[in-house]
Amino acid sequence: AQSVAQPEDQVNVAEGNPLTVKCTYSVSGNPYLFWYVQYPNRGLQFLLKYITGDNLVKGSYGFEAEFNKSQTSFHLKKPSALVSDSALYFCAVRGYGNNRLAFGKGNQVVVIP
Amino acid sequence: DSGVTQTPKHLITATGQRVTLRCSPRSGDLSVYWYQQSLDQGLQFLIQYYNGEERAKGNILERFSAQQFPDLHSELNLSSLELGDSALYFCASSRSQGTGFWETQYFGPGTRLLVL
Repeated sequence: AQSVAQPEDQVNVAEGNPLTVKCTYSVSGNPYLFWYVQYPNRGLQFLLKYITGDNLVKGSYGFEAEFNKSQTSFHLKKPSALVSDSALYFCAVRGYGNNRLAFGKGNQVVVIP
Repeated sequence: DSGVTQTPKHLITATGQRVTLRCSPRSGDLSVYWYQQSLDQGLQFLIQYYNGEERAKGNILERFSAQQFPDLHSELNLSSLELGDSALYFCASSRSQGTGFWETQYFGPGTRLLVL
């Protein structure tokens, strides 16, 4: 079975401060990890993914994520948060041999001006 | 804009009714995935089609069915609707059948279903 845990319901951060959204995963074999963002009344937008190689993955809108195999984590980061980053963020995992994505429950990010 | 389109955007219906949700994948994508997003269950995978054939099944109820047509658009049929079926239904697409596990799934804007 594959699963994702996003431990915090909401992340509050001041504009200009670093933003971190946490994700841990469980999967058999090598993980394929994804981050998506959902703005109100919109679909999920792909941000970035980890397949193999460099543990630091860079994605859209200045976001990056760090893969840590020993801690089974894939935390999303942004050095300087913008008010427009306020949204719902989803981490997802897919294990080898599995077509489906397993999503975490999502984290609401609120960036305070 | 992901290139995946879904219609309708909103749907209000009554219990016991049947509805059809439609999805057109990105140009060139052969796989279509359906997901249900609800407050209590989160984002749940329902079913996948690849080039017209069912490829994977998730937490899809027997009252629900889907198909993918020769032009690659897909429809999700929900019947004997219950209050608990109220949710946001997403369609996603990817280039191949998903054995390229590194493939990104691109999501449509969703159809919000309200069952009264």
